Amino acid sequence: EAGVTQSPTHLIKTRGQQATLRCSPISGHTSVYWYQQALGLGLQFLLWYDEGEERNRGNFPPRFSGRQFPNYSSELNVNALELEDSALYLCASSLWTGETKNIQYFGAGTRLSVL
Amino acid sequence: KNEVEQSPQNLTAQEGEFITINCSYSVGISALHWLQQHPGGGIVSLFMLSSGKKKHGRLIATINIQEKHSSLHITASHPRDSAVYICAVSSNYQLIWGAGTKLIIKP
Repeated sequence: EAGVTQSPTHLIKTRGQQATLRCSPISGHTSVYWYQQALGLGLQFLLWYDEGEERNRGNFPPRFSGRQFPNYSSELNVNALELEDSALYLCASSLWTGETKNIQYFGAGTRLSVL
Repeated sequence: KNEVEQSPQNLTAQEGEFITINCSYSVGISALHWLQQHPGGGIVSLFMLSSGKKKHGRLIATINIQEKHSSLHITASHPRDSAVYICAVSSNYQLIWGAGTKLIIKP
């Protein structure tokens, strides 16, 4: 069974441009999570989507946005790119059951470089 | 063999006990992360270490670069510490994840 897949692997943009990152969850998973891991910083929670709706959002400006499609895949959009947006962006998926254990499975990430 | 190994996989303890979770890795790293996953929420970054020791409240994280080993300690454990604790290492611009340790603290 395929795991969480992210594309592209590496994305190079210039300041002010827009970046679109894509994530396909594990088949059957309804929740998708986005994280940013910038150089020198820990993992930062960005967004959580479940059943097509945004359920939770981390402390990021509105130029970070996303959506979840009916097939549960997801896009992360970053507008007006800034140099400090350069980071590894990780997507995770899980089957949200409301129970106490909700293991997230991570993709390999997209490395975004803003020049 | 996994590149990041955590132990134990599951840990149940009584409130007030001192907790230790271990992480060993076999690759060269630029940093090691300890993360916490609470039921129903996103994963929260607890510590990022490249050497020595860090402390935040009742949580202490240590790393021994020569031995490629890190430990996460919880002093005076409390039921709200119940969560999955994950060790991950930054290596070659990737994050390599441990399998996680499920911690249950009973009142």
